[in-house]
Amino acid sequence: DTAVSQTPKYLVTQMGNDKSIKCEQNLGHDTMYWYKQDSKKFLKIMFSYNNKELIINETVPNRFSPKSPDKAHLNLHINSLELGDSAVYFCASSQTDYGYGYTFGSGTRLTVV
Amino acid sequence: SQKIEQNSEALNIQEGKTATLTCNYTNYSPAYLQWYRQDPGRGPVFLLLIRENEKEKRKERLKVTFDTTLKQSLFHITASQPADSATYLCALTTSGTYKYIFGTGTRLKVLA
Repeated sequence: DTAVSQTPKYLVTQMGNDKSIKCEQNLGHDTMYWYKQDSKKFLKIMFSYNNKELIINETVPNRFSPKSPDKAHLNLHINSLELGDSAVYFCASSQTDYGYGYTFGSGTRLTVV
Repeated sequence: SQKIEQNSEALNIQEGKTATLTCNYTNYSPAYLQWYRQDPGRGPVFLLLIRENEKEKRKERLKVTFDTTLKQSLFHITASQPADSATYLCALTTSGTYKYIFGTGTRLKVLA
């Protein structure tokens, strides 16, 4: 049983397209996150939802829109993709308390050509 | 400005030795600090968490120390094995936020 699952694992698309990445967790966690890991392996937070409510919204272009239909799901939609959006996107979840570790998905490698 | 720094260069050590990785931070007052392991092509895996009022935490062959005066955390792997080879990331959060900020990670290679 995969705890945090993301789909797709790989995504290759052309500039200007719109794409979505889906994430689901079966851990019963209340909080979910999207992180972006660039080519230098720097992991940067983008968004966080707690019980379907947006609680962290970092300085991210508004082409990126998260959506949480329920507390087990957090999707990421990206409009008008740019070359600089190429990265690995990780979904994670945790208990609603910063005293707990995150459980990460295996990542979605997005390549914009 | 706020920074979290880990050795960007890879650390190579001989099997059986203790590996020590460093996480330094500036302009943060972290309430919690975590360490993660990341293998190529995989997501980070949570290892240990230490609170600001704790000096040391242990889990099997792993030990984390947290010195808020030096603004530093050390991560030790004793009796290291080739299977410990991976990138290790530290992450911290301050009180009042659920946001963990990650360091850039240190790549550890344990040589057989």
